[in-house]
Amino acid sequence: TQLLEQSPQFLSIQEGENLTVYCNSSSVFSSLQWYRQEPGEGPVLLVTVVTGGEVKKLKRLTFQFGDARKDSSLHITAAQPGDTGLYLCAGSDSNYQLIWGAGTKLIIKP
Amino acid sequence: DTEVTQTPKHLVMGMTNKKSLKCEQHMGHRAMYWYKQKAKKPPELMFVYSYEKLSINESVPSRFSPECPNSSLLNLHLHALQPEDSALYLCASSSRQERGFYEQYFGPGTRLTVT
Repeated sequence: TQLLEQSPQFLSIQEGENLTVYCNSSSVFSSLQWYRQEPGEGPVLLVTVVTGGEVKKLKRLTFQFGDARKDSSLHITAAQPGDTGLYLCAGSDSNYQLIWGAGTKLIIKP
Repeated sequence: DTEVTQTPKHLVMGMTNKKSLKCEQHMGHRAMYWYKQKAKKPPELMFVYSYEKLSINESVPSRFSPECPNSSLLNLHLHALQPEDSALYLCASSSRQERGFYEQYFGPGTRLTVT
């Protein structure tokens, strides 16, 4: 059974600070997706990483896929209150099902 | 356009009611999904349709009945639900990208409350 461990599960920081969220697995994924979800809404796809070592940037968010395609990280620089939400990582093993991390509840305080 | 729509947005139903959730996408995606999500938890897969055929049923109780009338539509029929079935129900669709991976796009969800 494939598992995706996401940490931390909860993070509350001040506006302007930096943070990193991690997703780790012992399994290789063909791709890994990061989503952000607001309360009562569906997850919104932020990025998909596919190649080992790949780095993608989305404004102040930097996503990295591990060289072995078993882990990924999301780094937010100078966090803003608008970054508040539930961040979810999800890995795909080459079929159309996703293996989900437990999620990181992020709160950015003004 | 990466939009998946879901109706209704909110639904309150009694344990003896019959209701349906609807999902629609016009992205040409051939895989569609139903998920159930409890607060502060990741989505739990319920059903997957691939090319309009049910390909995965994650041991979901029969009081949930999915239907895929065509490649753009997905329904979830609800009957004799229990209060513990109250949750956010999410629909998603996906397609195979050029590099061989799938990206899932989610609808806004239906907040279901069973009384």
